[in-house]
Amino acid sequence: DAGVIQSPRHEVTEMGQEVTLRCKPISGHDYLFWYRQTMMRGLELLIYFNNNVPIDDSGMPEDRFSAKMPNASFSTLKIQPSEPRDSAVYFCASSPGQGNNSPLHFGNGTRLTVT
Amino acid sequence: QQQVKQSPQSLIVQKGGISIINCAYENTAFDYFPWYQQFPGKGPALLIAIRPDVSEKKEGRFTISFNKSAKQFSLHIMDSQPGDSATYFCAASYDYKLSFGAGTTVTVRA
Repeated sequence: DAGVIQSPRHEVTEMGQEVTLRCKPISGHDYLFWYRQTMMRGLELLIYFNNNVPIDDSGMPEDRFSAKMPNASFSTLKIQPSEPRDSAVYFCASSPGQGNNSPLHFGNGTRLTVT
Repeated sequence: QQQVKQSPQSLIVQKGGISIINCAYENTAFDYFPWYQQFPGKGPALLIAIRPDVSEKKEGRFTISFNKSAKQFSLHIMDSQPGDSATYFCAASYDYKLSFGAGTTVTVRA
């Protein structure tokens, strides 16, 4: 099992540019989560999907952020336009979803720097 | 607004010592309390978890103590080893949504 795969590992972009982060969840996992980690705010849940359908996007900071899950093996988080305050590590996680206590399996994250 | 408050922010312990991390919550809807361990450059990984109907859970050198009436729970790392040096996050969950504490960086000195 390769685990949750995120790409790219690092992304440096200029303010105003579009950024797309990618995630491949563990096969067979029905839930996919996007988290953001910063020193100031810690780990924040942005959005999560169940069977490719967005369930709760209340953590998405603003309309510049959007997430999609076109199929069970792929999800994207897009920021357009990007701003320096978006600089953070973005994690994708998946879960088999067998009840609320199913463990989350995190990828190794994408470190985004917006200059 | 952090739904789970975690302390201390960091701690240093000698090899063989005990590390203790404390967390508190307010939302009584939380029904699952996991701890995650994170190494630099990696994502958090589940370490141990407890449900509120249990007061203590032990897995190897790691023990969770849970006090439902006080809405507090803690992680004890016994016989701390240099390989335990990492950041530890407590979390609380309901409806598939995990809220994380701010994290505790543990350094184990050999």
